Amino acid sequence: AQKVTQAQTEISVVEKEDVTLDCVYETRDTTYYLFWYKQPPSGELVFLIRRNSFDEQNEISGRYSWNFQKSTSSFNFTITASQVVDSAVYFCALSLFGNEKLTFGTGTRLTIIP
Amino acid sequence: DVKVTQSSRYLVKRTGEKVFLECVQDMDHENMFWYRQDPGLGLRLIYFSYDVKMKEKGDIPEGYSVSREKKERFSLILESASTNQTSMYLCASSLLGSVEYFGPGTRLTVT
Repeated sequence: AQKVTQAQTEISVVEKEDVTLDCVYETRDTTYYLFWYKQPPSGELVFLIRRNSFDEQNEISGRYSWNFQKSTSSFNFTITASQVVDSAVYFCALSLFGNEKLTFGTGTRLTIIP
Repeated sequence: DVKVTQSSRYLVKRTGEKVFLECVQDMDHENMFWYRQDPGLGLRLIYFSYDVKMKEKGDIPEGYSVSREKKERFSLILESASTNQTSMYLCASSLLGSVEYFGPGTRLTVT
């Protein structure tokens, strides 16, 4: 069975600070996808990124970056120069190749203080 | 843009009532999913469907059933609502092997 752990339940930072959200996963499969979703106060989950297990290259998209390390089974998410609009609950998730089901972590509530 | 809609944002029902939660997607996606979200537990999969009239149990199917008569519509049914089914319910859809897109959620309260 798969498992995703987000040990940080809540994080608060002052606007413009950088913040990293941790995600650790467990699976015995060698082929899988990792995801990050954002859930703003409106409630709808917004897709941010999907990485497959063969691609350990870090990815950057504007102020967002992701660090995938198979050696530590981690897929961490960093927001640079945080803004109030980044306040949300962030979920990390995993699915196996050929199996559409997502296994979610318990989420990290991020609050950006103006 | 992918659009997943859910019939209600908020719903209040009484214990023992039969409850229907409806989800519609407009992108011809094969897969559809129902999750419930509870504080401290994240999202947990209740049921999913990969084709019309096909369904598979997720991690927590007890007390729920589903119906998929048309490709764009996936219904979650609570046969006899109980207070422990008070939760946020999220529907999602996806193409085969692709990303799941979520609806806005239905916050159900059972009193």
